[in-house]
Formats: sequence, C-alpha cells, structure tokens
Amino acid sequence: DTAVSQTPKYLVTQMGNDKSIKCEQNLGHDTMYWYKQDSKKFLKIMFSYNNKELIINETVPNRFSPKSPDKAHLNLHINSLELGDSAVYFCASSPQDSGFYEQYFGPGTRLTVT
Amino acid sequence: AQTVTQSQPEMSVQEAETVTLSCTYDTSENNYYLFWYKQPPSRQMILVIRQEAYKQQNATENRFSVNFQKAAKSFSLKISDSQLGDTAMYFCAFHFGNEKLTFGTGTRLTIIP
Repeated sequence: DTAVSQTPKYLVTQMGNDKSIKCEQNLGHDTMYWYKQDSKKFLKIMFSYNNKELIINETVPNRFSPKSPDKAHLNLHINSLELGDSAVYFCASSPQDSGFYEQYFGPGTRLTVT
Repeated sequence: AQTVTQSQPEMSVQEAETVTLSCTYDTSENNYYLFWYKQPPSRQMILVIRQEAYKQQNATENRFSVNFQKAAKSFSLKISDSQLGDTAMYFCAFHFGNEKLTFGTGTRLTIIP
C-alpha cells in the first residue's frame, strides 16, 4: 500500500548511458514532481506535472525528459548520463485541490554514474 | 523568488533534551505555507509539521512544535524530549500557490545517547 513508489532504488551506470527512473502514486493526487538532492543534501525541484501537463520546468539540461503517461505516473528519462548527474532523485505528489499542497515523497533513487 | 535559510548546518543534543532548529525565509506574499520535513538515514522524506501563514496559532504535533513569527519571517522547529529516532536531516520548506516547494539547505541533527 505504498503511497509514492520509485523504481529502482539504486542505479549504477556508466557515463554516456541512457536510463529511466519510474514513479507511481496511488493517492489520487493531481500533481507530481521530480527533485534532485545533491551530495550536500540540497533539494532542488526539477519538474512538476499537473494532470499530465508540465507546469514547472526548472533550469534542467535537455538530457532530462519527464514523461507522464497518466496522472498516477511520472517517469524521468536521462540521456547521455554524466558524472554530475550522480545524486538522489525524489519523486513526490500532492493533492492540488487541497489547501495545503502538502507533498508526499517517494523513497528516492540513488543514481551513481561512473 | 522565495528563499529559505537554515543557518545551522549541524546540531547535536543529549537524549531527552529540547532542541530548536531555526529557519528564516524571504517572501513578499501574504498567504503561504511552511513545512518542516525530516530525512533520516533511510533518506525517506517525512513531513513533520506544517503551518498556514494566515493562522496565528503555532502548529503542534506531539513533541514537535513551531514558533512562527510572520513579521520576522521566522519559522523555528522545537523538538521536546528528543529521542534517538529524531536523528536526521531537517529541512524547512516554503510553498505558495501553484509554485514549487522551496527548501532550505537543511540542518543535520544528532541525538546523543
């Protein structure tokens, strides 16, 4: 009965490869997000989708492309991986129609690029 | 743009003591939301407490309470009777309208047995 799930939890890959991280939420939320947490633990928003529409796109390289097949899923595809992409990536969701916009986070995916 | 500042990178206290983590923010908005999130070594982000800016009463959740000073743009977290399981990174966060959640840089809290 996991609320926000991500797969895989750990991903080790070589530079230049293409990889995807999947996210699913079973909370019925309208909005989903991707965050990147760097080695200094700083959390920064990357993307936000509301009902499959992109609403926030921070300054992220074009190599990162989010895809939302339906409002319960928001996947992150990364092309031509670089060493600097190593980080923990968090997916989150929120009930946009609530008063709080509280966000529920997934367990994170630790990506290591070698 | 909103900014969130946590001026204490690391703190440690003895078990059962009370500790206060500070957070200040900068915004020109009037109605917004503030949150404290906890990230234990398991790295799961867990919501600890939330505060609506239009409410003057400070939020409380069991051993966790906040001191919200709207005019000073301050939002500190107090943990009473600290427990070993409170050891974690704590992030203050700001949210307004349809905009992104803006996080502070975090405070690493260690509870000493």
